[in-house]
Amino acid sequence: SQTIHQWPATLVQPVGSPLSLECTVEGTSNPNLYWYRQAAGRGLQLLFYSVGIGQISSEVPQNLSASRPQDRQFILSSKKLLLSDSGFYLCAWSRGQGANGNTIYFGEGSWLTVV
Amino acid sequence: GNSVTQMEGPVTLSEEAFLTINCTYTATGYPSLFWYVQYPGEGLQLLLKATKADDKGSNKGFEATYRKETTSFHLEKGSVQVSDSAVYFCALSKGNQGGKLIFGQGTELSVKP
Repeated sequence: SQTIHQWPATLVQPVGSPLSLECTVEGTSNPNLYWYRQAAGRGLQLLFYSVGIGQISSEVPQNLSASRPQDRQFILSSKKLLLSDSGFYLCAWSRGQGANGNTIYFGEGSWLTVV
Repeated sequence: GNSVTQMEGPVTLSEEAFLTINCTYTATGYPSLFWYVQYPGEGLQLLLKATKADDKGSNKGFEATYRKETTSFHLEKGSVQVSDSAVYFCALSKGNQGGKLIFGQGTELSVKP
């Protein structure tokens, strides 16, 4: 069966510090990978998605970046965090054949508080 | 552009009450529609989905019907339980672009015993 893990689960970082959130998927190959952010009291916003190694698409301009160094690894990064980067970050995956009916499966989420 | 609109929460119900959470969408073409649930402090779990008009998705007593004529995908459950307390998200997939989801803003449901 397929599983998705992301870490750390909780992070408190000062403004201006770097960020690295990691996500790995097991039990499947060539998945589509996603990073979403959920700000407090708001819906989910797609930040990045990737259909293959080294292929990253950004949905919104922002202070964050993403990388996919391996097929089943997706990393969310920042060089200098802003207060507005605080939120709940969710990694997700779906099967690589991009039919629009494919279910997206989410990780457990990472709470980031920038202070 | 594509978008999803849900009824605002929080919705507070007594146990065994009937639940409806409204969801309408705007999209070109024929999107797939989803309901996800987020329990406190956790990630999102797929609750149900429908991939074409008139399909009915169902799971754990919840159901929703894809209504293209009204561009709606309302979530219903005949008798809610305290354990159903969570935030519910309606979403659509953005065509053949890797299955990206566009979410509504979420509706918080609180069920009291």
